[in-house]
Amino acid sequence: EPEVTQTPSHQVTQMGQEVILRCVPISNHLYFYWYRQILGQKVEFLVSFYNNEISEKSEIFDDQFSVERPDGSNFTLKIRSTKLEDSAMYFCASTLLQGTPQAFFGQGTRLTVV
Amino acid sequence: SQQGEEDPQALSIQEGENATMNCSYKTSINNLQWYRQNSGRGLVHLILIRSNEREKHSGRLRVTLDTSKKSSSLLITASRAADTASYFCATGGNNRLAFGKGNQVVVIP
Repeated sequence: EPEVTQTPSHQVTQMGQEVILRCVPISNHLYFYWYRQILGQKVEFLVSFYNNEISEKSEIFDDQFSVERPDGSNFTLKIRSTKLEDSAMYFCASTLLQGTPQAFFGQGTRLTVV
Repeated sequence: SQQGEEDPQALSIQEGENATMNCSYKTSINNLQWYRQNSGRGLVHLILIRSNEREKHSGRLRVTLDTSKKSSSLLITASRAADTASYFCATGGNNRLAFGKGNQVVVIP
């Protein structure tokens, strides 16, 4: 069964460093998303991406964050100058079509900023 | 924006018992979904119910939706140890989903 894959599963970084979280969405899906979950809190929407541009972003997704689809398979989330409060699980998701509510999620990357 | 909110309860039940959890939301919706998250893992879609549906079944899952009360419930019948997980409702679609805080369910063998 096709699945969304994320790497790495766990990333530890120093405060102020840049990190890139990687995702490979399901191959025929067209819409891609990043969500995050701070420990013990809700899963929060960060950004959606379609046709090589951001479709929608939340207030969390400020200038510190960027997304990119550098090739036909990868979808990345870059966090510049990480802060302690960026520590969270980051989930990538994809959907086949817009308006398809069911999203397929990856296993997540646990980011720990120290 | 739409937002799912589960009753903040943690359930601990014996294997074979039923587990019920609830979710309320604030704005009108087209559909509502339930996801499961095993510890430290990703979210797995369980079931979707549309706004014009009142009840839906999938295997041992039963979801109800009351749009007049803006609430939904998820029932897991004949629970198994493998059902131990957190369960989230989510509203929205298109570009974003809004998740609730999740209900933690522990099924004791």
